[in-house]
Amino acid sequence: DIQMTQSPSSLSASVGDRVTITCRASQGITSHLNWYQHKPGKPPKVLIYAASNLQSGVPSRFSGSGSGTDFTLTINSLQPEDFATYYCQQSYSTPWTFGQGTKVEIK
Amino acid sequence: QVQLLESGGGVVQPGRSLRLSCVASGFTFSDSGMHWVRQAPGKGLEWVAVIWPDGSNKYYADSVKGRFSISRDNSKNTVYLQMNSLRVEDTAVYYCARDRYYDISGIYFYVTDVWGQGTTVTVSS
Repeated sequence: DIQMTQSPSSLSASVGDRVTITCRASQGITSHLNWYQHKPGKPPKVLIYAASNLQSGVPSRFSGSGSGTDFTLTINSLQPEDFATYYCQQSYSTPWTFGQGTKVEIK
Repeated sequence: QVQLLESGGGVVQPGRSLRLSCVASGFTFSDSGMHWVRQAPGKGLEWVAVIWPDGSNKYYADSVKGRFSISRDNSKNTVYLQMNSLRVEDTAVYYCARDRYYDISGIYFYVTDVWGQGTTVTVSS
């Protein structure tokens, strides 16, 4: 199975900050990498698919990059509604696997 | 409106069984693969299973293989998760999610783009 490792596990940031979350796959997954935002009591929401493609309706302050084994989610100008947990997920091969999550908290 | 609605969660004793259902609306269900994903209390998301649009292929996480079974009834726009031999560690919120693919330069990229609100399963004696 492909293991996904995110860093950091949590971070504190202020409104307006630029936030970067990284995700590393245990083997190459080309660009089969998705990013999700998850808030308590709500279902996860897809932000980025295929490593760098913004899902329809997602604000442009979210962006993704990377290929192979190393990927990045960037949030430019963090907004109050962005405080949540973020997960990467590989869809290169079954079983699909998620990273352990990165909790973005208010500083 | 594209929607998924899970049901069937509850409290069950270890070793017993439970069947979850997820009813889809607002899209052509028979064209979409369907997933189950869960989140245990205080833990991250864990992918559980996927079923192809026509039900021809099914895949499972190692943690549930041999105990859980995913199925679907396209005439009822419903996907199921049959959970047998339940363990305490199966306690979680279970989400169903739609599989969607994007064709980018001839390569298919898959993502779960629509999620239900989740149903809670508690395994406890």
